[in-house]
Amino acid sequence: AQSVTQLDSHVSVSEGTPVLLRCNYSSSYSPSLFWYVQHPNKGLQLLLKYTSAATLVKGINGFEAEFKKSETSFHLTKPSAHMSDAAEYFCVVSDLYSGAGSYQLTFGKGTKLSVIP
Amino acid sequence: DAGVTQSPTHLIKTRGQQVTLRCSPKSGHDTVSWYQQALGQGPQFIFQYYEEEERQRGNFPDRFSGHQFPNYSSELNVNALLLGDSALYLCASSLPMGLDTDTQYFGPGTRLTVL
Repeated sequence: AQSVTQLDSHVSVSEGTPVLLRCNYSSSYSPSLFWYVQHPNKGLQLLLKYTSAATLVKGINGFEAEFKKSETSFHLTKPSAHMSDAAEYFCVVSDLYSGAGSYQLTFGKGTKLSVIP
Repeated sequence: DAGVTQSPTHLIKTRGQQVTLRCSPKSGHDTVSWYQQALGQGPQFIFQYYEEEERQRGNFPDRFSGHQFPNYSSELNVNALLLGDSALYLCASSLPMGLDTDTQYFGPGTRLTVL
């Protein structure tokens, strides 16, 4: 069974400083990993996806994530936070579902990012 | 190109009632998944529809059922509503097999409140 642990429920940074949101995963196979962002009262927007082509993945809005298999981690970073980055961030693992040819997403509990002016 | 759309945006029901939520996938997508997101939690997988059949199901009771139509749109039905069913219900769609099929794109959600 797959699982995702987001190590911080809330992260607060000052505008212009780096962002680090931590995620560890567990999976029986070689999973795809995602980060999604959710702004208040909105749906989920895909930030980036890892599929094994490269361990450092670049996403939208200056975010990137590094896949480390030995640490089973997929941390999300951004060099300089902007006020508009304040939102909830979800780390997600996708595994192929037992021969049905379909994929099931498992979400972490989320990390709320606050950006202080 | 329209993204995933959901209706209605908000819904208020009372305990014991039944509700139907609707979802239209992105153009070119043939698979629809439904998720429940309780306040302050991550989304939980309810079920997935492909070729008008339920292909996978999460740990939800039979009160939760769905349907997929020939045009790939989908409905989520919940019977005998409980207070605990109050949540944001998210629909996601994905491409056919062999085409980045494990990436899911989400709609804005339907906020269901059960009184």
